[in-house]
Amino acid sequence: AQTVTQSQPEMSVQEAETVTLSCTYDTSESDYYLFWYKQPPSRQMILVIRQEAYKQQNATENRFSVNFQKAAKSFSLKISDSQLGDAAMYFCAYRSNTGNQFYFGTGTSLTVIP
Amino acid sequence: GAGVSQSPSNKVTEKGKDVELRCDPISGHTALYWYRQSLGQGLEFLIYFQGNSAPDKSGLPSDRFSAERTGGSVSTLTIQRTQQEDSAVYLCASSLSIGGAEDTQYFGPGTRLTVL
Repeated sequence: AQTVTQSQPEMSVQEAETVTLSCTYDTSESDYYLFWYKQPPSRQMILVIRQEAYKQQNATENRFSVNFQKAAKSFSLKISDSQLGDAAMYFCAYRSNTGNQFYFGTGTSLTVIP
Repeated sequence: GAGVSQSPSNKVTEKGKDVELRCDPISGHTALYWYRQSLGQGLEFLIYFQGNSAPDKSGLPSDRFSAERTGGSVSTLTIQRTQQEDSAVYLCASSLSIGGAEDTQYFGPGTRLTVL
């Protein structure tokens, strides 16, 4: 089974600053999908950004962007101009192109300091 | 439109009792997932339904766990003879399908299960 590793259990960032959350994964497949999900204290998981492995261009959604390094199997999330509402748990996830299952990392808890 | 809903939001039960957790997916979504989230852990896949296909039950931790999806819509996760290690948040998610961009999962708020 694929494994997804988030090596930073906790991170903090000053409001308006930039923070990068790390994610690495282990796979022998060449085609797959990667995701970042946000889980605020309300518990409801929300999709932040999605990347298709066959696309070389890094995905971007407003203040959120990824640095996808396929050879290194790395998929980091950059949050620019951090806002108080960005405080949450962030989960990295992997899905094979041929499978149904999503594999999630253990999460990074992000604190935004006013 | 309405998102994914789950009920109850919290459930406290005694060890050995059976519990049923309900998930109402977004209308028209053919794929439905159940996950378990223990304190400080990521999401553990439990079971997956896709349309009328046989469910993928490979993540169910024991035969005390079962799930069904009636009419391709509402799903119920049943845990029999609950144990304290079953205490967790149970999350349900649905997606339009599983192919391409349709695999975006929409999550419910979860059910927090506490087994005393």
